[in-house]
Amino acid sequence: AQTVTQSQPEMSVQEAETVTLSCTYDTSESDYYLFWYKQPPSRQMILVIRQEAYKQQNATENRFSVNFQKAAKSFSLKISDSQLGDAAMYFCAYRSGGLNNNDMRFGAGTRLTVKP
Amino acid sequence: DAGVTQSPTHLIKTRGQQVTLRCSPKSGHDTVSWYQQALGQGPQFIFQYYEEEERQRGNFPDRFSGHQYPNYSSELNVNALLLGDSALYLCASSLWDRGRGRATQYFGPGTRLLVL
Repeated sequence: AQTVTQSQPEMSVQEAETVTLSCTYDTSESDYYLFWYKQPPSRQMILVIRQEAYKQQNATENRFSVNFQKAAKSFSLKISDSQLGDAAMYFCAYRSGGLNNNDMRFGAGTRLTVKP
Repeated sequence: DAGVTQSPTHLIKTRGQQVTLRCSPKSGHDTVSWYQQALGQGPQFIFQYYEEEERQRGNFPDRFSGHQYPNYSSELNVNALLLGDSALYLCASSLWDRGRGRATQYFGPGTRLLVL
């Protein structure tokens, strides 16, 4: 079964600095998708960034970028120029690429604190 | 464009009771997934509905059941509530991409269920 591990329960960063959140996953599949979701205190999960496993190029979305290392099964999230609004729980998630396998596996999350 | 909505926002029940949670998907979406998020953990997949049928199910007992209506809205029913069912229940909707076999899920704000 696929598992997702986030080894950092908590991280903190100074406003305007850069922080990297770690995620590793375990799978025997070659076709899959990886996601980072943000969950602020309002509870709503917000998609931050998505990566298709077949793409070698790392995904970027404005201040958010990933370092996807397929062989190492690593998928870290880098947040540049951190802002107070980035404070939230961040979840790494995995979804199989199979047509009939639609569940997402989530890590336990990393709580990010941004210090002014 | 309304996003995913869920009702109620909070709910308190006692052991043995039954509960129904509701979800309206994002406009244009046809697939609804339900997740259980226990305190301090990542979401766990319960099941997914597409074309009014349960398409996939996670590792949850039969006490958890669901329904999808022709307008794509969905309900999650939990019978014989246990203390351990206390959690945040998240609904996520998506539009199934037949060609690519992929779908990005957008989450609602969740329903916080407390079982006493």
